[in-house]
Amino acid sequence: AQSVTQLGSHVSVSEGALVLLRCNYSSSVPPYLFWYVQYPNQGLQLLLKYTSAATLVKGINGFEAEFKKSETSFHLTKPSAHMSDAAEYFCAVSGGGADGLTFGKGTHLIIQP
Amino acid sequence: GAGVSQSPSNKVTEKGKDVELRCDPISGHTALYWYRQRLGQGLEFLIYFQGNSAPDKSGLPSDRFSAERTGESVSTLTIQRTQQEDSAVYLCASSSPGGFYEQFFGPGTRLTVL
Repeated sequence: AQSVTQLGSHVSVSEGALVLLRCNYSSSVPPYLFWYVQYPNQGLQLLLKYTSAATLVKGINGFEAEFKKSETSFHLTKPSAHMSDAAEYFCAVSGGGADGLTFGKGTHLIIQP
Repeated sequence: GAGVSQSPSNKVTEKGKDVELRCDPISGHTALYWYRQRLGQGLEFLIYFQGNSAPDKSGLPSDRFSAERTGESVSTLTIQRTQQEDSAVYLCASSSPGGFYEQFFGPGTRLTVL
Protein backbone atom coordinates (compact mmCIF):
# COMPACT_ATOMS: atom_id res chain seq x y z
CA ALA A 1 0.00 0.00 0.00
CA GLN A 2 1.13 3.50 -0.75
CA SER A 3 0.22 6.95 0.48
CA VAL A 4 1.26 10.50 -0.29
CA THR A 5 1.26 13.60 1.86
CA GLN A 6 1.63 17.04 0.35
CA LEU A 7 2.40 19.68 2.93
CA GLY A 8 0.55 22.91 2.32
CA SER A 9 -2.66 23.04 0.34
CA HIS A 10 -1.67 26.53 -0.84
CA VAL A 11 1.82 27.94 -1.45
CA SER A 12 2.41 31.55 -2.43
CA VAL A 13 5.72 32.82 -3.83
CA SER A 14 6.83 35.99 -5.56
CA GLU A 15 7.67 35.96 -9.24
CA GLY A 16 11.38 35.12 -9.56
CA ALA A 17 11.56 33.42 -6.17
CA LEU A 18 12.33 29.78 -5.43
CA VAL A 19 9.43 27.36 -5.66
CA LEU A 20 9.40 24.45 -3.18
CA LEU A 21 6.46 22.06 -3.05
CA ARG A 22 6.76 19.27 -0.51
CA CYS A 23 5.81 15.65 -0.97
CA ASN A 24 6.34 12.74 1.40
CA TYR A 25 5.36 9.21 0.57
CA SER A 26 5.06 5.81 2.12
CA SER A 27 5.35 2.62 0.16
CA SER A 28 5.76 -1.04 0.97
CA VAL A 29 7.72 -1.57 -2.25
CA PRO A 30 10.35 0.53 -4.04
CA PRO A 31 8.29 3.40 -5.33
CA TYR A 32 7.91 5.15 -8.61
CA LEU A 33 7.11 8.82 -7.99
CA PHE A 34 5.47 11.41 -10.17
CA TRP A 35 4.63 15.09 -10.15
CA TYR A 36 1.70 16.27 -12.23
CA VAL A 37 0.49 19.81 -12.91
CA GLN A 38 -3.11 20.82 -13.56
CA TYR A 39 -3.88 24.16 -15.12
CA PRO A 40 -7.40 25.56 -14.68
CA ASN A 41 -10.07 23.56 -16.50
CA GLN A 42 -7.54 21.13 -17.90
CA GLY A 43 -6.46 17.56 -17.27
CA LEU A 44 -3.24 16.57 -15.56
CA GLN A 45 0.11 16.89 -17.30
CA LEU A 46 3.22 15.00 -16.23
CA LEU A 47 6.01 17.26 -14.99
CA LEU A 48 8.55 14.59 -14.10
CA LYS A 49 8.94 11.07 -12.78
CA TYR A 50 11.36 9.04 -10.68
CA THR A 51 11.78 5.41 -11.74
CA SER A 52 14.83 4.31 -9.72
CA ALA A 53 17.47 5.78 -11.99
CA ALA A 54 19.04 9.14 -11.04
CA THR A 55 17.75 10.53 -7.75
CA LEU A 56 17.68 14.08 -9.12
CA VAL A 57 15.06 14.24 -11.80
CA LYS A 58 14.64 17.09 -14.23
CA GLY A 59 11.27 17.78 -15.77
CA ILE A 60 9.55 20.23 -18.04
CA ASN A 61 9.27 23.98 -17.52
CA GLY A 62 12.43 24.13 -15.38
CA PHE A 63 11.12 21.96 -12.57
CA GLU A 64 13.13 19.29 -10.84
CA ALA A 65 12.70 16.94 -7.90
CA GLU A 66 15.04 14.93 -5.73
CA PHE A 67 14.24 11.48 -4.41
CA LYS A 68 15.49 11.08 -0.84
CA LYS A 69 14.87 7.57 0.40
CA SER A 70 16.04 8.31 3.95
CA GLU A 71 13.49 11.09 4.24
CA THR A 72 10.82 9.38 2.09
CA SER A 73 10.52 12.65 0.25
CA PHE A 74 10.22 13.80 -3.35
CA HIS A 75 10.02 17.58 -3.15
CA LEU A 76 9.48 19.66 -6.28
CA THR A 77 11.59 22.76 -6.89
CA LYS A 78 12.10 25.49 -9.45
CA PRO A 79 14.79 28.15 -9.01
CA SER A 80 12.75 31.08 -10.32
CA ALA A 81 8.96 31.21 -10.39
CA HIS A 82 7.11 32.50 -13.40
CA MET A 83 3.54 33.75 -13.50
CA SER A 84 2.66 30.89 -15.83
CA ASP A 85 3.57 28.38 -13.08
CA ALA A 86 0.38 29.20 -11.19
CA ALA A 87 -1.52 25.91 -11.11
CA GLU A 88 -2.40 22.89 -8.98
CA TYR A 89 0.41 20.40 -8.42
CA PHE A 90 -0.10 16.77 -7.51
CA CYS A 91 2.46 14.29 -6.22
CA ALA A 92 1.74 10.62 -6.86
CA VAL A 93 3.29 7.27 -5.99
CA SER A 94 3.09 3.89 -7.66
CA GLY A 95 4.30 0.43 -6.79
CA GLY A 96 5.04 -0.09 -10.45
CA GLY A 97 1.99 -2.14 -11.24
CA ALA A 98 -1.00 -1.43 -13.40
CA ASP A 99 -3.20 -0.75 -10.40
CA GLY A 100 -2.48 2.91 -10.71
CA LEU A 101 -1.24 5.88 -8.82
CA THR A 102 -2.00 7.13 -5.35
CA PHE A 103 -2.27 10.91 -5.43
CA GLY A 104 -1.69 13.52 -2.78
CA LYS A 105 -4.41 16.11 -2.17
CA GLY A 106 -2.60 18.69 -4.26
CA THR A 107 -0.90 22.03 -3.66
CA HIS A 108 -2.21 25.20 -5.22
CA LEU A 109 0.74 27.36 -6.28
CA ILE A 110 0.10 31.10 -6.33
CA ILE A 111 2.60 33.44 -7.97
CA GLN A 112 2.58 37.01 -6.77
CA PRO A 113 3.84 39.75 -9.11
CA GLY B 1 0.15 11.17 -31.64
CA ALA B 2 -3.35 11.47 -30.27
CA GLY B 3 -3.75 11.71 -26.53
CA VAL B 4 -6.55 10.53 -24.28
CA SER B 5 -9.87 12.01 -25.29
CA GLN B 6 -13.06 12.28 -23.31
CA SER B 7 -16.60 13.18 -24.24
CA PRO B 8 -18.63 15.13 -23.58
CA SER B 9 -16.44 17.91 -22.21
CA ASN B 10 -19.38 19.26 -20.26
CA LYS B 11 -22.61 17.62 -19.19
CA VAL B 12 -25.48 19.23 -17.34
CA THR B 13 -28.22 16.91 -16.20
CA GLU B 14 -31.17 16.84 -13.87
CA LYS B 15 -31.16 14.91 -10.63
CA GLY B 16 -32.35 11.37 -11.17
CA LYS B 17 -31.27 11.09 -14.81
CA ASP B 18 -28.65 8.63 -16.05
CA VAL B 19 -25.43 9.85 -17.70
CA GLU B 20 -22.76 8.11 -19.71
CA LEU B 21 -19.21 9.41 -19.95
CA ARG B 22 -16.80 8.20 -22.59
CA CYS B 23 -13.03 7.79 -22.64
CA ASP B 24 -10.84 6.98 -25.63
CA PRO B 25 -7.38 5.94 -24.41
CA ILE B 26 -4.10 6.23 -26.25
CA SER B 27 -3.85 3.45 -28.79
CA GLY B 28 -1.95 0.46 -27.39
CA HIS B 29 -2.38 1.40 -23.76
CA THR B 30 -3.51 -1.66 -21.87
CA ALA B 31 -4.53 0.02 -18.62
CA LEU B 32 -7.29 2.60 -18.22
CA TYR B 33 -8.30 4.52 -15.11
CA TRP B 34 -11.23 6.66 -13.99
CA TYR B 35 -10.94 9.34 -11.31
CA ARG B 36 -13.32 11.85 -9.83
CA GLN B 37 -12.25 15.34 -8.86
CA ARG B 38 -14.66 17.39 -6.84
CA LEU B 39 -14.29 21.17 -6.80
CA GLY B 40 -11.06 22.13 -5.04
CA GLN B 41 -10.27 18.53 -4.15
CA GLY B 42 -7.66 15.99 -5.12
CA LEU B 43 -8.20 12.97 -7.32
CA GLU B 44 -10.43 10.19 -6.09
CA PHE B 45 -9.72 6.82 -7.71
CA LEU B 46 -12.83 5.11 -9.04
CA ILE B 47 -11.84 2.07 -11.10
CA TYR B 48 -9.16 0.71 -13.38
CA PHE B 49 -9.15 -1.71 -16.29
CA GLN B 50 -6.39 -4.02 -17.41
CA GLY B 51 -7.53 -4.88 -20.91
CA ASN B 52 -11.29 -5.22 -20.60
CA SER B 53 -11.34 -6.63 -17.09
CA ALA B 54 -11.62 -4.51 -13.97
CA PRO B 55 -9.56 -6.06 -11.17
CA ASP B 56 -10.30 -3.24 -8.78
CA LYS B 57 -13.74 -1.71 -8.48
CA SER B 58 -13.29 -0.70 -4.88
CA GLY B 59 -13.34 3.00 -5.59
CA LEU B 60 -16.79 3.15 -7.11
CA PRO B 61 -18.81 5.30 -4.68
CA SER B 62 -22.07 3.39 -4.94
CA ASP B 63 -23.93 0.81 -7.00
CA ARG B 64 -25.24 3.68 -9.14
CA PHE B 65 -21.78 3.82 -10.72
CA SER B 66 -20.65 1.27 -13.29
CA ALA B 67 -18.00 1.11 -15.96
CA GLU B 68 -17.11 -1.08 -18.88
CA ARG B 69 -14.39 -1.28 -21.47
CA THR B 70 -14.39 -2.84 -24.89
CA GLY B 71 -11.15 -4.73 -25.44
CA GLU B 72 -8.25 -2.33 -24.99
CA SER B 73 -10.24 0.53 -26.38
CA VAL B 74 -13.07 2.78 -25.37
CA SER B 75 -14.42 2.86 -21.84
CA THR B 76 -17.71 4.22 -20.58
CA LEU B 77 -18.54 5.31 -17.06
CA THR B 78 -22.26 5.27 -16.33
CA ILE B 79 -23.92 7.00 -13.42
CA GLN B 80 -27.53 6.04 -12.83
CA ARG B 81 -30.08 8.19 -11.00
CA THR B 82 -27.62 11.05 -10.64
CA GLN B 83 -27.47 13.02 -7.41
CA GLN B 84 -26.16 16.52 -6.81
CA GLU B 85 -23.13 15.12 -4.98
CA ASP B 86 -22.11 13.44 -8.25
CA SER B 87 -21.24 16.87 -9.64
CA ALA B 88 -17.51 16.80 -10.35
CA VAL B 89 -14.92 16.53 -13.08
CA TYR B 90 -14.43 12.94 -14.17
CA LEU B 91 -10.92 12.26 -15.43
CA CYS B 92 -9.76 9.32 -17.47
CA ALA B 93 -6.14 8.19 -17.87
CA SER B 94 -4.38 5.40 -19.71
CA SER B 95 -0.99 3.77 -19.36
CA SER B 96 1.21 1.00 -20.67
CA PRO B 97 3.84 -1.20 -18.99
CA GLY B 98 6.64 0.27 -21.04
CA GLY B 99 6.41 3.62 -19.29
CA PHE B 100 6.35 2.33 -15.71
CA TYR B 101 2.61 2.77 -15.94
CA GLU B 102 2.96 6.52 -16.16
CA GLN B 103 -0.59 7.75 -16.63
CA PHE B 104 -1.64 10.05 -19.44
CA PHE B 105 -4.75 12.04 -18.63
CA GLY B 106 -7.62 13.24 -20.74
CA PRO B 107 -9.10 16.73 -20.35
CA GLY B 108 -11.99 15.48 -18.24
CA THR B 109 -15.77 15.68 -18.34
CA ARG B 110 -17.34 18.31 -16.12
CA LEU B 111 -20.64 16.91 -14.80
CA THR B 112 -23.17 19.22 -13.22
CA VAL B 113 -26.27 17.72 -11.63
CA LEU B 114 -29.03 20.24 -11.05
